[in-house]
Amino acid sequence: DAGVTQSPTHLIKTRGQQVTLRCSPKSGHDTVSWYQQALGQGPQFIFQYYEEEERQRGNFPDRFSGHQFPNYSSELNVNALLLGDSALYLCASSLEGIRQPQHFGDGTRLSIL
Amino acid sequence: SQQGEEDPQALSIQEGENATMNCSYKTSINNLQWYRQNSGRGLVHLILIRSNEREKHSGRLRVTLDTSKKSSSLLITASRAADTASYFCATDERGAQKLVFGQGTRLTINP
Repeated sequence: DAGVTQSPTHLIKTRGQQVTLRCSPKSGHDTVSWYQQALGQGPQFIFQYYEEEERQRGNFPDRFSGHQFPNYSSELNVNALLLGDSALYLCASSLEGIRQPQHFGDGTRLSIL
Repeated sequence: SQQGEEDPQALSIQEGENATMNCSYKTSINNLQWYRQNSGRGLVHLILIRSNEREKHSGRLRVTLDTSKKSSSLLITASRAADTASYFCATDERGAQKLVFGQGTRLTINP
């Protein structure tokens, strides 16, 4: 039973570019949440998707957008990349929201030059 | 913004000793969860304690929750080198569908 998988594992972009990160949730899970984790910090909630809709959003600008597909997989898109967007981006899945334990992928390390 | 504040930020102990980490938060919660993160990896769920529970055990882990003081503690007994990791508390705020993480405690177990 595969856990949460994220791709790519590492990515290098330059300022102003756009990036798409992908996440496949754990089998049987219907909710996907995205987090940004800067070095030495705790994860910061970006948004959560359930039934293909954004259910909750954290304090992130509109440059951060997402999508959930009918098979529950999800994408995180970031436009007009800034140096400060360099971070580990984590995807977590669960069944019916955040009242249950979250299962995390190993993340995508995004570096902005 | 981060609601949970872990204390201490870093902790170094000898193998076999007990490790205690504390977490404080600011708002009403539905539950509080503890996670472990090994360097460069994703987070692993350790234990979830609901707002109406005061203590919970899982193997060598013991978690307490004091909602009147808005604080929680994680105790790891008989520590092992493999317990070396960062530990985070995360709160499930009432009325919100999101987890708010603290900045974590970096635990080092010396052999």
